[in-house]
Amino acid sequence: DTGVSQNPRHKITKRGQNVTFRCDPISEHNRLYWYRQTLGQGPEFLTYFQNEAQLEKSRLLSDRFSAERPKGSFSTLEIQRTEQGDSAMYLCASSPLTTASPLHFGNGTRLTVT
Amino acid sequence: AQKVTQAQTEISVVEKEDVTLDCVYETRDTTYYLFWYKQPPSGELVFLIRRNSFDEQNEISGRYSWNFQKSTSSFNFTITASQVVDSAVYFCALSEVHNTNAGKSTFGDGTTLTVKP
Repeated sequence: DTGVSQNPRHKITKRGQNVTFRCDPISEHNRLYWYRQTLGQGPEFLTYFQNEAQLEKSRLLSDRFSAERPKGSFSTLEIQRTEQGDSAMYLCASSPLTTASPLHFGNGTRLTVT
Repeated sequence: AQKVTQAQTEISVVEKEDVTLDCVYETRDTTYYLFWYKQPPSGELVFLIRRNSFDEQNEISGRYSWNFQKSTSSFNFTITASQVVDSAVYFCALSEVHNTNAGKSTFGDGTTLTVKP
């Protein structure tokens, strides 16, 4: 069990630029989640995948956000035309195929939009 | 809609004191799971415990104990004889089984615990 891996750890970008984050889940986990966390808040759900299928997207996820999980393995989260309000910690988590399973989180990618 | 409330934003105790972190939840589902996670200063959220809605038996694990009361929709977490290493942000989370939100967890805003030596 190598854990959930996220890259990069930190990203600083200028407003209007596009950014892409990568998440490698625990290999045997079917579900993969993206959350966003801002200072003083709990993780907010963005979207999740069951294998390669994206099953739910939060209303928080504007059209500038897109996530993929090709072949049901790693996932990418892309933010187009970044805004300062996008600055946050983006967390990836994975779990086996059951609602009862706890989430295994990565260390997150901290995005700063200047 | 599911909701988790952690009314205590910050708690500060002196080492060896006992401390209880409160969690109140709202859900329309009859079957759900409750979780506690710990987020140390290093940043990675770590799972601590899970409870399902049919199991109100309280649990003790070392210095940690949990009190689940369905009648009051509460799932409180107690650390006995706190230690400096317990300093972290603690999150309570809820995951529903049957409704359209099934599969995702909703988190509270966390309680920052500081244990002073």
